[in-house]
Amino acid sequence: RKEVEQDPGPFNVPEGATVAFNCTYSNSASQSFFWYRQDCRKEPKLLMSVYSSGNEDGRFTAQLNRASQYISLLIRDSKLSDSATYLCVVLDNDYKLSFGAGTTVTVRA
Amino acid sequence: DTAVSQTPKYLVTQMGNDKSIKCEQNLGHDTMYWYKQDSKKFLKIMFSYNNKELIINETVPNRFSPKSPDKAHLNLHINSLELGDSAVYFCASSRDRGRGEQYFGPGTRLTVT
Repeated sequence: RKEVEQDPGPFNVPEGATVAFNCTYSNSASQSFFWYRQDCRKEPKLLMSVYSSGNEDGRFTAQLNRASQYISLLIRDSKLSDSATYLCVVLDNDYKLSFGAGTTVTVRA
Repeated sequence: DTAVSQTPKYLVTQMGNDKSIKCEQNLGHDTMYWYKQDSKKFLKIMFSYNNKELIINETVPNRFSPKSPDKAHLNLHINSLELGDSAVYFCASSRDRGRGEQYFGPGTRLTVT
């Protein structure tokens, strides 16, 4: 079983739409959670950390459900520039980051 | 000013050769990492150094040897390259160990023919 599982998508949405997707993680002792963004043929970049109480950063909202071991990301008012692969990332108690394979989002004009 | 840089960006080589990839960070971070991203796009940790000390050493063939001459540099040497080594190798750094906020280099796309 993979440590971090994501729906690969693609999610194909029009500009201005809301898109949301989840990931699940297998290690209940995982400490911290993040969303990274990776553009085609580029390096991953930190989008946001995910806090237990849920948090927002502009149009992006992240939620954590420890009981069910899932993390979600919601993007409101999608822009063309939001087209990317979103990586769900979990920091385990052995200081290693585990990455999901990514969810691809394509925003169309 | 690039925070985490890697050289070369592209590397095409034949099976059996030995090659090195270099990484440098100018963020003043203590911890550096090597990741491999294969064709299925999974990013997997290979090694991590904290202040020049090896702290993570995943199940990686011993043909791969990291070296950290100082905390701003982490190099990766690969002996006897195999077809399956073809991938994108990313270097990353973080302020200290155990951080999920990591800064990645642009990647080195290695193709073994």
